[in-house]
Amino acid sequence: KNEVEQSPQNLTAQEGEFITINCSYSVGISALHWLQQHPGGGIVSLFMLSSGKKKHGRLIATINIQEKHSSLHITASHPRDSAVYICAALGGSGGGADGLTFGKGTHLIIQP
Amino acid sequence: EAGVAQSPRYKIIEKRQSVAFWCNPISGHATLYWYQQILGQGPKLLIQFQNNGVVDDSQLPKDRFSAERLKGVDSTLKIQPAKLEDSAVYLCASSLMPGWARLRVQWNEQFFGPGTRLTVL
Repeated sequence: KNEVEQSPQNLTAQEGEFITINCSYSVGISALHWLQQHPGGGIVSLFMLSSGKKKHGRLIATINIQEKHSSLHITASHPRDSAVYICAALGGSGGGADGLTFGKGTHLIIQP
Repeated sequence: EAGVAQSPRYKIIEKRQSVAFWCNPISGHATLYWYQQILGQGPKLLIQFQNNGVVDDSQLPKDRFSAERLKGVDSTLKIQPAKLEDSAVYLCASSLMPGWARLRVQWNEQFFGPGTRLTVL
């Protein structure tokens, strides 16, 4: 069982919809990353959080340490938000001394 | 500020051939990571360097993979000989601080390069 689980794996929505992507982890972590990966392969860090909630533009990330759960929300979604969103835990056995343990990603498609 | 640079962006080789990837981290970043991302999966850490020393290479298939960061700046990852299952995107990332120097409230954010897409035929 992967230490970091994401859901859904694939999500197709219409432009303007409110999007939620969930991440659950089974190990103790020190922080959690939300990353965005575009088709070319490059990865961009969206958020890094260890408690509470962070907001950047139309993106909101929350984390509940007790429940070992985090969510990424996109408000007023747009086709340019189409990408793979990856949850990654800092800590966990797959991450090495200081590396990240990644979920498999959520492939999001926003249709105009 | 320039980001993490990787080359080549794409590489196609036949099985049993050798291949090398190059990564230049963000200037001043002490920690460098190589990840392997197989299609449909999240990235998997292969090796982590702290300056020119290896911190963790437990998931590196050492019979065919090797990596070095001789001067503590740029790094190369080599596969020799390549197998079909090595087809993947190889991502390099860097971070400013080593884990042990991480501040209480400032986390060790990693910055990723664009990746090298390897296809082994």
